[in-house]
Amino acid sequence: NAGVTQTPKFRVLKTGQSMTLLCAQDMNHEYMYWYRQDPGMGLRLIHYSVGEGTTAKGEVPDGYNVSRLKKQNFLLGLESAAPSQTSVYFCASSYAGTPYEQYFGPGTRLTVT
Amino acid sequence: AQSVTQPDIHITVSEGASLELRCNYSYGATPYLFWYVQSPGQGLQLLLKYFSGDTLVQGIKGFEAEFKRSQSSFNLRKPSVHWSDAAEYFCAVGGIGSGNTGKLIFGQGTTLQVKP
Repeated sequence: NAGVTQTPKFRVLKTGQSMTLLCAQDMNHEYMYWYRQDPGMGLRLIHYSVGEGTTAKGEVPDGYNVSRLKKQNFLLGLESAAPSQTSVYFCASSYAGTPYEQYFGPGTRLTVT
Repeated sequence: AQSVTQPDIHITVSEGASLELRCNYSYGATPYLFWYVQSPGQGLQLLLKYFSGDTLVQGIKGFEAEFKRSQSSFNLRKPSVHWSDAAEYFCAVGGIGSGNTGKLIFGQGTTLQVKP
């Protein structure tokens, strides 16, 4: 039982490049979330999904897109990376019945130069 | 706008000493309240939660938190800190707005250092 895994762990992009972060969970959770963590700002919700095929915007969605084609996977895309997107990205998942008890992945450190 | 404030960015305590981490929230009603812990290089782990009822809640690893409505606070406490408690601690609120989607608003975090 791996829990929540994230791929890759580290990535360096140049401004304007695109990439996709992959989150996978093996707990059969209905809900999944993408957060970014910046120093002194805690975690901020980017996008979330309450089920396969559904996504919704969080607190800071601009510049990101997401997809949830399979229940166990939640993808976060950056179409044209900007230095302001340098951050640590965390994926989380939860059961629909206990949505605030979220299980977090280990994070992806992204640097945009 | 709803917000969560953790006034202390960094706290250092000696091993065996007591600990209190502060959290204040700004919201018209009583939200759901949480404390998460992040060990270095790891994701976050839920320590404890408050939805309603008894205002003193117990969590994992010997932590407890007390909800005080009059002060809009949800402070985290531990009677005796262990070196393994060194981590970053986040207070969070949920249940704001319509739906029960698990949207959380996090505080800025408090880094706890434990001296031997």
